[in-house]
Amino acid sequence: AQTIHQWPVAEIKAVGSPLSLGCTIKGKSSPNLYWYWQATGGTLQQLFYSITVGQVESVVQLNLSASRPKDDQFILSTEKLLLSHSGFYLCAWSLQGAGERLFFGHGTKLSVL
Amino acid sequence: AQKVTQTQTSISVMEKTTVTMDCVYETQDSSYFLFWYKQTASGEIVFLIRQDSYKKENATVGHYSLNFQKPKSSIGLIITATQIEDSAVYFCAMREGNTNTGKLTFGDGTVLTVKP
Repeated sequence: AQTIHQWPVAEIKAVGSPLSLGCTIKGKSSPNLYWYWQATGGTLQQLFYSITVGQVESVVQLNLSASRPKDDQFILSTEKLLLSHSGFYLCAWSLQGAGERLFFGHGTKLSVL
Repeated sequence: AQKVTQTQTSISVMEKTTVTMDCVYETQDSSYFLFWYKQTASGEIVFLIRQDSYKKENATVGHYSLNFQKPKSSIGLIITATQIEDSAVYFCAMREGNTNTGKLTFGDGTVLTVKP
């Protein structure tokens, strides 16, 4: 069975500090990977997606970057956090194909103070 | 550019009744996929049901069904015999094309409250 693990579960960070969020998918090779951001009570805003190792496409520029160093790993990061980065970050995976459903991780709650 | 609009911010219904949530979409593609997801109070997001644009039949899964009106670019979610645990935020989403594209656009969500 496939599993998706996100870390950390929650973070409290200072403005201007760096950030690194991670996501690992086990049990599925060559998945599509996604990062989404959700403000409190808001919609799911797609940030990045990746269809293969080393290849990441940006959907929305929020002073964040993403990388896929391994087939099963997706990293979201920034060198300097802004207050506007606060929210809920969700990693997801899907099989390759436009009609495939997304499987979401449990998310990371980020508070930037 | 693709766009998904959910006009109902929140809906409240009594348990065991039927509820319909609206969703309209915009796309230039002739081929696309429409999805509904549910987000529980814990933040967990789960897939509910999917409609392929080329299929005329409305999709049905358990007590979830869709009302797909292609000429109106509308994909409503119908939940029959609602239960307390159906209380959640429901998101409509769309992906264009029949290739391996990664862009999936979500609507703003509809908060459903099911009362006993």
